[in-house]
Amino acid sequence: ETGVTQTPRHLVMGMTNKKSLKCEQHLGHNAMYWYKQSAKKPLELMFVYSLEERVENNSVPSRFSPECPNSSHLFLHLHTLQPEDSALYLCASSQAGERNSPLHFGNGTRLTVT
Amino acid sequence: AQSVAQPEDQVNVAEGNPLTVKCTYSVSGNPYLFWYVQYPNRGLQFLLKYITGDNLVKGSYGFEAEFNKSQTSFHLKKPSALVSDSALYFCAVRLPGGGATNKLIFGTGTLLAVQP
Repeated sequence: ETGVTQTPRHLVMGMTNKKSLKCEQHLGHNAMYWYKQSAKKPLELMFVYSLEERVENNSVPSRFSPECPNSSHLFLHLHTLQPEDSALYLCASSQAGERNSPLHFGNGTRLTVT
Repeated sequence: AQSVAQPEDQVNVAEGNPLTVKCTYSVSGNPYLFWYVQYPNRGLQFLLKYITGDNLVKGSYGFEAEFNKSQTSFHLKKPSALVSDSALYFCAVRLPGGGATNKLIFGTGTLLAVQP
């Protein structure tokens, strides 16, 4: 298996649920990212993880909680979400330390909050 | 503040005609610029990048982009469009400064529609 794999592909959850999104990369990269894609808006960088740094976008609500147990896996834990959190959540990876290393994206998880 | 603008929500072109998808940027220092493409129900795929050197950059699927420093632009081009090129295209710029990771700022995307 190659590339960046995200599960599940689709998720419908109520506002009181707790769920997690999973991302796994098989590219040997050492940096991983969460982006949020909403219609008609620029992709929003939510979180970045690497051995050297962890970056959190301060505008991301605390109901989103990332976890990066190792360089190949990244999770996004969700709790008490709001309908406006419905979006496509994209995971990406790259090689940290190489400034021209492009991001490699997964196919995303389509999240619907009811 | 660093930003990327894609002024066109949609570009329509006939198959076989040349296409241009526009992108302008605002960033301090030398920019690292990228183009990505997104097909329906898929993630973003890397097309090409400009780091330094030749202003005309060639990428995947016959696409190229021209870096123009004076106009702060990085337009995506292709000499002859295919129906299969129909997709959503994103321009992105790397945030300058320190840090080992590639934190990219993306534009809002341009939908390219190629008519047969």
